[in-house]
Amino acid sequence: DGGITQSPKYLFRKEGQNVTLSCEQNLNHDAMYWYRQDPGQGLRLIYYSQIVNDFQKGDIAEGYSVSREKKESFPLTVTSAQKNPTAFYLCASSIRRGPDTQYFGPGTRLTVL
Amino acid sequence: EDKVVQSPLSLVVHEGDTVTLNCSYEVTNFRSLLWYKQEKKAPTFLFMLTSSGIEKKSGRLSSILDKKELFSILNITATQTGDSAIYLCAAFNAGGTSYGKLTFGQGTILTVHP
Repeated sequence: DGGITQSPKYLFRKEGQNVTLSCEQNLNHDAMYWYRQDPGQGLRLIYYSQIVNDFQKGDIAEGYSVSREKKESFPLTVTSAQKNPTAFYLCASSIRRGPDTQYFGPGTRLTVL
Repeated sequence: EDKVVQSPLSLVVHEGDTVTLNCSYEVTNFRSLLWYKQEKKAPTFLFMLTSSGIEKKSGRLSSILDKKELFSILNITATQTGDSAIYLCAAFNAGGTSYGKLTFGQGTILTVHP
């Protein structure tokens, strides 16, 4: 079954802790993306990666970090520097870079206690 | 800065009604406009529009793009309760390099009552 998986579905974190959200795809897509969704604000791009070992900041990268060591995997770390991390995080991928349809994973809801 | 604005932000209708969702955009190097449906978790792809005036259809859903007036509409005819969802519009900025980026609107929350 091809698709994008994200884990965990729900994550609770204490203030001051770093957490890592997992995103895996078996679609053989080159490009992967991380978005943050807040009520009433749509999706905002955190980071994206066009190929392995390369990634670029999106619009709201502060307080986040990523890695892309394998084509299938694009984990996102929410660091303690992120001031307001409680949100719904969505990972997406597309076949290639550029204007192409992005397909989304099921998301991770992060709550900071 | 790229901007995508959707209207209305929320809409409540009854089954059988027809709805029109609006999306306007201001995006440099515009390449395409995408519509997604988000029910509970992952947005699912509906349409990608790149040319003006060509309607795309899928069952009761259809969409069209006007690149002169910088907007798109999504029509849903004979609505059903299963159409209840957030509908997201996103515009693609092709950028100066081989990668561009999607800018999303706030979404329209559609609720269809039986």
